[in-house]
Amino acid sequence: DAGVTQSPTHLIKTRGQHVTLRCSPISGHKSVSWYQQVLGQGPQFIFQYYEKEERGRGNFPDRFSARQFPNYSSELNVNALLLGDSALYLCASSLGEKLFFGSGTQLSVL
Amino acid sequence: RKEVEQDPGPFNVPEGATVAFNCTYSNSASQSFFWYRQDCRKEPKLLMSVYSSGNEDGRFTAQLNRASQYISLLIRDSKLSDSATYLCVVYNFNKFYFGSGTKLNVKP
Repeated sequence: DAGVTQSPTHLIKTRGQHVTLRCSPISGHKSVSWYQQVLGQGPQFIFQYYEKEERGRGNFPDRFSARQFPNYSSELNVNALLLGDSALYLCASSLGEKLFFGSGTQLSVL
Repeated sequence: RKEVEQDPGPFNVPEGATVAFNCTYSNSASQSFFWYRQDCRKEPKLLMSVYSSGNEDGRFTAQLNRASQYISLLIRDSKLSDSATYLCVVYNFNKFYFGSGTKLNVKP
């Protein structure tokens, strides 16, 4: 069975641009959550979606938004990119309270 | 104050050693607790859940002390392959809070 898949694996953007990151959960998992991980830190919670509804939101500005589709895949959108948005963006699907992570999208903002 | 705090380490131990990591959390209403392992440049992977009664999985033992809001992970007979960053994770109100991780280096 396929695990959580994320695309793209790497991305380079410039300040002010917009980015869309994509995630496909493990088959049968209805919940998807997004995390930002800066080097040397633990993942920081951004959003959780369940059955297309937002269930939780972390302490991130409104430039960050997300959605979940009927097939449970998800997109994370970030507008007006800042240098500080450079990080590894991880998606996780969950069954109950256990998270299964994708390998992430490494975003570099120049 | 951070939701979850961990000693960043690194902990440098020889093979066969026993090593313990600790973690504290700030929200007494937290519902569930976990340890995740993250290898360099890889995604985190669930190591084990943590229960109030304590639980063991092979060489790994996890303990939870709700009164002190404290979680621990004990690794016995360390292997080279245990070298990684160990993340303490707390779940409450539909949010997962990760500590910054404790780095373990097991040396021959």
